[in-house]
Amino acid sequence: GAGVSQTPSNKVTEKGKYVELRCDPISGHTALYWYRQSLGQGPEFLIYFQGTGAADDSGLPNDRFFAVRPEGSVSTLKIQRTERGDSAVYLCASSIDRPNTGELFFGEGSRLTVL
Amino acid sequence: GESVGLHLPTLSVQEGDNSIINCAYSNSASDYFIWYKQESGKGPQFIIDIRSNMDKRQGQRVTVLLNKTVKHLSLQIAATQPGDSAVYFCARLNSGYALNFGKGTSLLVTP
Repeated sequence: GAGVSQTPSNKVTEKGKYVELRCDPISGHTALYWYRQSLGQGPEFLIYFQGTGAADDSGLPNDRFFAVRPEGSVSTLKIQRTERGDSAVYLCASSIDRPNTGELFFGEGSRLTVL
Repeated sequence: GESVGLHLPTLSVQEGDNSIINCAYSNSASDYFIWYKQESGKGPQFIIDIRSNMDKRQGQRVTVLLNKTVKHLSLQIAATQPGDSAVYFCARLNSGYALNFGKGTSLLVTP
């Protein structure tokens, strides 16, 4: 499809395990974002990529979280030693460039459940 | 600090009526506000935006009003339809790229 694609749509893991979440942005979009949404809350900013580099990773909660975008397209969010508090929907979004309009195109998210 | 919040967590309206969703913000460091709609199981979808040099902006069936004096933002949906049922978020754009979302208002359209 033409939209932002995220896999897996659902991931259940055990506390302490390692998890990778993948995002395939809209073709041609140079800006890519990760957000985290807890139940009943609005999305929270995690990290922003412009091309291959992380322009702002100030929203990552701690050093267990890391994200890459090696070729400036697909991005992977990596979570080490998962904790129950990491359970949330992880949303990826992309835009043509650093947004002038605030119009981001979001994927449907990856729901992570840590048991 | 900056925050974006909503007055009511839920709103129920009858099909065909107009809906008004409100949002308050704590300061005006950012000059750009955006409304997003999120249907169940989906990611947020852009609806409309407004900059602080404007008081009003209209789209298709939607109008956003910005009152900088009282730091208040509203989204008006005309002739609300069942497909409008969703959670609506107001958001502020910080640093030119990071969206700061409020908690959201759940809109339920009844027949």
